[in-house]
Amino acid sequence: QVQLQESGPGLAKPSQTLSLTCGISGDSVSSIAVVWNWIRQSPSRGLEWLGRTYYRSKWYYDYGLSVRSRITIDADTSKNQFSLQLKSVTPEDTATYYCARGSIAIYEAFDIWGQGTKVTVSA
Amino acid sequence: QSALTQPPSVSGTPGQRVTISCSGSSSNIGQNFVNWYQQVPGEAPKLLIHTGGQRPSGVPGRFSASKSGTSASLAISGLQSEDEADYFCATWDDSQDGHVVFGGGTKLTVL
Repeated sequence: QVQLQESGPGLAKPSQTLSLTCGISGDSVSSIAVVWNWIRQSPSRGLEWLGRTYYRSKWYYDYGLSVRSRITIDADTSKNQFSLQLKSVTPEDTATYYCARGSIAIYEAFDIWGQGTKVTVSA
Repeated sequence: QSALTQPPSVSGTPGQRVTISCSGSSSNIGQNFVNWYQQVPGEAPKLLIHTGGQRPSGVPGRFSASKSGTSASLAISGLQSEDEADYFCATWDDSQDGHVVFGGGTKLTVL
């Protein structure tokens, strides 16, 4: 049974870098059958796809339009996890952050989600 | 402003059939499968429909989906109280190097 677990600080100050990690159990971060995504949700912005990483002989990264200049997603095969770094955060980045698996077999639909971690950006 | 447009709310009585629409464009719904997610308050979204109309194991057959041109819809027949939740459509958008887009979500109330 595949499970994802987000971890990281629940509070960040404006202009800081937000760092979150998604731990994977029951699957491999370097599996060629999946993609690993970060998605956030807030009352003002709804569900927003932030980006993804996947391994196909090498690592690939794709980022969402709204955060493309501030985001980095990375994978750590030794810990079987992937991470999100969001630079120069503002209160607008306050949201619940989810990691989610996209399965190639179903055209990368998000079939497994973490429980989410709430992040507040405030001084 | 979400890239995909959904009605903010729909409602129905138990046993009824309701539909939720999702309107997009030629760069997203027009060219890609639409996925639907169900979210109960306080929980993460759950995949409801994928690949144009397939249901993951455990999702009742009361849920179905369709697509025409740049619009898609989710239908729920034989409405039950436990169907009360938020529903989101999502798909890939081929513009600007590609990215995933979501609808703003529709709150389903079972009266």
